[in-house]
Amino acid sequence: GAGVSQSPSNKVTEKGKDVELRCDPISGHTALYWYRQSLGQGLEFLIYFQGNSAPDKSGLPSDRFSAERTGGSVSTLTIQRTQQEDSAVYLCASSWDRGPGQPQHFGDGTRLSIL
Amino acid sequence: AQSVTQLGSHVSVSEGALVLLRCNYSSSVPPYLFWYVQYPNQGLQLLLKYTTGATLVKGINGFEAEFKKSETSFHLTKPSAHMSDAAEYFCAVRVSSNTGKLIFGQGTTLQVKP
Repeated sequence: GAGVSQSPSNKVTEKGKDVELRCDPISGHTALYWYRQSLGQGLEFLIYFQGNSAPDKSGLPSDRFSAERTGGSVSTLTIQRTQQEDSAVYLCASSWDRGPGQPQHFGDGTRLSIL
Repeated sequence: AQSVTQLGSHVSVSEGALVLLRCNYSSSVPPYLFWYVQYPNQGLQLLLKYTTGATLVKGINGFEAEFKKSETSFHLTKPSAHMSDAAEYFCAVRVSSNTGKLIFGQGTTLQVKP
């Protein structure tokens, strides 16, 4: 497809389990962002990748959260030992580069529910 | 530090009426400002952006916004609301001069009444 693709679209898991969320950015986009959207906190930046540079992890809420981007394309966000407060919609976005005027193209998100 | 405030978490208008969604920002660098729209169970879609140049910016679906530096505002308007405009709207500002990282407002839900 032409847009940003995220999988799964919905994920329900038990507290304490690990989860992996996947993002396929638009082909050719070198910048990739992860955001979290929750009722209490709104839209929060988590992490971003730009080409081969070290990722900006400044938004990750705890060391249970990590992300990687393989081959400059697909990214995986991993949450270890999930907690109920991790329940949220996780949005991925990509853009041509990290330039501040570049529009970000968003996927439809993964809705994560922790029981 | 950068921040965005959207006044009014819910706005209700009648179909055909003017839409006005308010956004005020704080930025320590020249601001680049964005409006995004989110429909239920979907991601965010860019409506319009301001970087430099003309302060009145036109976007998709008949929306426009005016950057007013003196008022630190970037309000979103549309002359005539359609039922299809019902959605959540987010204003955002870039974090720094060399990154596309964004800070978002809390969002405004627009309801359009027939």
